[in-house]
Amino acid sequence: AQTVTQSQPEMSVQEAETVTLSCTYDTSENNYYLFWYKQPPSRQMILVIRQEAYKQQNATENRFSVNFQKAAKSFSLKISDSQLGDTAMYFCAFMTLQGAQKLVFGQGTRLTINP
Amino acid sequence: DAGVIQSPRHEVTEMGQEVTLRCKPISGHDYLFWYRQTMMRGLELLIYFNNNVPIDDSGMPEDRFSAKMPNASFSTLKIQPSEPRDSAVYFCASSLGGQGPNTGELFFGEGSRLTVL
Repeated sequence: AQTVTQSQPEMSVQEAETVTLSCTYDTSENNYYLFWYKQPPSRQMILVIRQEAYKQQNATENRFSVNFQKAAKSFSLKISDSQLGDTAMYFCAFMTLQGAQKLVFGQGTRLTINP
Repeated sequence: DAGVIQSPRHEVTEMGQEVTLRCKPISGHDYLFWYRQTMMRGLELLIYFNNNVPIDDSGMPEDRFSAKMPNASFSTLKIQPSEPRDSAVYFCASSLGGQGPNTGELFFGEGSRLTVL
């Protein structure tokens, strides 16, 4: 079974700084998807960024980018020029391409952006 | 579209009572997921449906939990009888599925916070 590990329960940075959230995963598969989801205090989860394992190029979405290291099974999220609205729980997630559409989530990292 | 709609947003009940959580997925989505979130266990997948058919219920903790999807626009998660350890936030999510550009993008509801006393 796949597992996803986020080793940083909490992080805190000042507004405008850059912050990197870590994620590692375990799988024996070669093709899969990885995701970062954000859960603000309002509770509703939203997708931040997605990476297909077969793509070598790291995904980027505006201020959000990933560092995908397939051999190391590492998938970190970098938030540049952090904003107060980035304060949230961030979840790393894994999805197999082997039929199932379900996501396996890590334990989450609580990120606080301070003014 | 209004997004995934869950009800109730909050439920407080006493041990032994039946609890029913409801979900309306986004129209046109063919996958529906029920997740449970607790501090100790994080986000756990309980069950998911494809085209109203349950595909994987291996995450359902025990027989006290049941889920149904009678049609494409409605699903329920029922706990009977409820216990204090069932206290959690229960999320419903829907997705298009497939292997296109939306792969893995789940649209979540706001969750139902359940407290069992």
